Amino acid sequence: EDQVTQSPEALRLQEGESSSLNCSYTVSGLRGLFWYRQDPGKGPEFLFTLYSAGEEKEKERLKATLTKKESFLHITAPKPEDSATYLCAVRNNFNKFYFGSGTKLNVKP
Amino acid sequence: GEEVAQTPKHLVRGEGQKAKLYCAPIKGHSYVFWYQQVLKNEFKFLISFQNENVFDETGMPKERFSAKCLPNSPCSLEIQATKLEDSAVYFCASSQLTPGGDYEQYFGPGTRLTVT
Repeated sequence: EDQVTQSPEALRLQEGESSSLNCSYTVSGLRGLFWYRQDPGKGPEFLFTLYSAGEEKEKERLKATLTKKESFLHITAPKPEDSATYLCAVRNNFNKFYFGSGTKLNVKP
Repeated sequence: GEEVAQTPKHLVRGEGQKAKLYCAPIKGHSYVFWYQQVLKNEFKFLISFQNENVFDETGMPKERFSAKCLPNSPCSLEIQATKLEDSAVYFCASSQLTPGGDYEQYFGPGTRLTVT
């Protein structure tokens, strides 16, 4: 069965302390891997789509990478405003979307 | 509009009552998705539409849930005879097919349904 697993569940960083979030997936034909940011009480905000192994995308302090089994969201020198839950989702060959449970990131000043 | 709008923001229903949620997709987007988010951020896909046609309804508990997207009206998700386990945040997302053939979904703020 297709599934997405994110780790860690929660991550506490000091401002400026770089780290990575992991998204492992099992999918019947990957048609896209998506990263979202979700702030409390709000809907997910689209960040990136990755399609094939080796692909990378960057936006400000965030960089997403993709292999055949997992994706990483690297956060370089995070700031308190980067605190949020980061969600990973995949789309399979049948156009079905599966979401992970998210990583709750807390960046302390 | 440039944002997905969902109403109401919060809905409280007694067990057994009906609940109806609304979603106005981004103008120009032809795909609408409904998700249920329960504890620990678990997102469950419910149903998707391409314009007014059902695209995928494999996630819908059909005995009590129904949804529509009619022309010139907000899309709706209706739950007949709500149960306690229906308490969740319901998100709507809209999307346009990208030139690469993908769906970059833009989410609304959600409707929090509380069944008491």
